[in-house]
Amino acid sequence: DADVTQTPRNRITKTGKRIMLECSQTKGHDRMYWYRQDPGLGLRLIYYSFDVKDINKGEISDGYSVSRQAQAKFSLSLESAIPNQTALYFCATSATGFTDTQYFGPGTRLTVL
Amino acid sequence: AQKVTQAQTEISVVEKEDVTLDCVYETRDTTYYLFWYKQPPSGELVFLIRRNSFDEQNEISGRYSWNFQKSTSSFNFTITASQVVDSAVYFCALSNAGSTLGRLYFGRGTQLTVWP
Repeated sequence: DADVTQTPRNRITKTGKRIMLECSQTKGHDRMYWYRQDPGLGLRLIYYSFDVKDINKGEISDGYSVSRQAQAKFSLSLESAIPNQTALYFCATSATGFTDTQYFGPGTRLTVL
Repeated sequence: AQKVTQAQTEISVVEKEDVTLDCVYETRDTTYYLFWYKQPPSGELVFLIRRNSFDEQNEISGRYSWNFQKSTSSFNFTITASQVVDSAVYFCALSNAGSTLGRLYFGRGTQLTVWP
């Protein structure tokens, strides 16, 4: 079984809808991250969490919110989806600090019509 | 400020050719880590290598090799005798102590296509 899983893998939704993307990990890592990938732009950080009580905004957090329900679970919500949030979303985990490798989930492809 | 530049947007080669993917980084920190990830057509991100700023030794893993040169702030990736299965987008990334702890700065990626 994969160490980092994301659900759903694909989602098509309409403008204005609320949507939640979920991430679970079995690696026992404390740190979890949400990134967004747009064609030609690489990956950009949306939110990150160092533990259940520590959540921080990344470089592009507007329009998104997160919830860290447990050490192993980190959810990303789009409160009112808009078309320019159409992208590939990745969850990642790492053990501790900047020295550690981040391991990524398989990604969620989100389309907002 | 931290920045990673992958100047090659797309590269096409024929199978068995060698190919080098360039990565240039910017950081004021003396302690940092560099990474390469592979994104095959299926979309997932696969970790390939991590290198810290104090270790300039080149790394070889099978057909893959990495050349880290602090003097030119580069961390280039070479695939020897490329194969069709190497076709993917390759990302170079940086993390450092001065940044948001644990945050990765990604380059925009290089699309490698290997033709049979």
